Amino acid sequence: AQKITQTQPGMFVQEKEAVTLDCTYDTSDPSYGLFWYKQPSSGEMIFLIYQGSYDQQNATEGRYSLNFQKARKSANLVISASQLGDSAMYFCAMREGNTGTASKLTFGTGTRLQVTL
Amino acid sequence: DGGITQSPKYLFRKEGQNVTLSCEQNLNHDAMYWYRQDPGQGLRLIYYSQIVNDFQKGDIAEGYSVSREKKESFPLTVTSAQKNPTAFYLCASSPKGDRVQPQHFGDGTRLSIL
Repeated sequence: AQKITQTQPGMFVQEKEAVTLDCTYDTSDPSYGLFWYKQPSSGEMIFLIYQGSYDQQNATEGRYSLNFQKARKSANLVISASQLGDSAMYFCAMREGNTGTASKLTFGTGTRLQVTL
Repeated sequence: DGGITQSPKYLFRKEGQNVTLSCEQNLNHDAMYWYRQDPGQGLRLIYYSQIVNDFQKGDIAEGYSVSREKKESFPLTVTSAQKNPTAFYLCASSPKGDRVQPQHFGDGTRLSIL
């Protein structure tokens, strides 16, 4: 079974509008973390936002917020006021367990976001 | 500026040849990782290392080898046993700490077969 599922291969959004990118996860571990990364066409992975399984509030970082619904096992990324520079691939990833130094991540297949004028 | 440097940016491999991808970080991070990305796919973990002189296999380690002789360096060798090496390879690192830290990534190396 897929541990991270991103069901939207591609999304379009108009500039200045908000967009939600879906992510569902599967784990039996009570301690886990969820990450969102952005990958522009140049290839580097840029960390956007993190949500811990025990965090009481949804994470926010500037225009990025995470809609964390623990019972539904979903961690959707919301981008407000989209900009042309937001066009990229977006990956959801999960770290299971309370590991020591290393944080092994499992990635979803990504969603390609295209921001239009 | 601190960061992760991967080299080369593009690499070509002949049949039966081993090639080594370089990854250097000056972030003073303890953990380092290698991922493989195929077109239209997410990243898959090849190897990771939590400390110098120690490393563990990830999900797709067959056909690859690594070493961690220095904290700053974590080279990946794609051996001739890896029959489908064409992919984008990303190196990452993360610091040690009590709270979860995101992984920082390099710019990647694109490997192709000649």
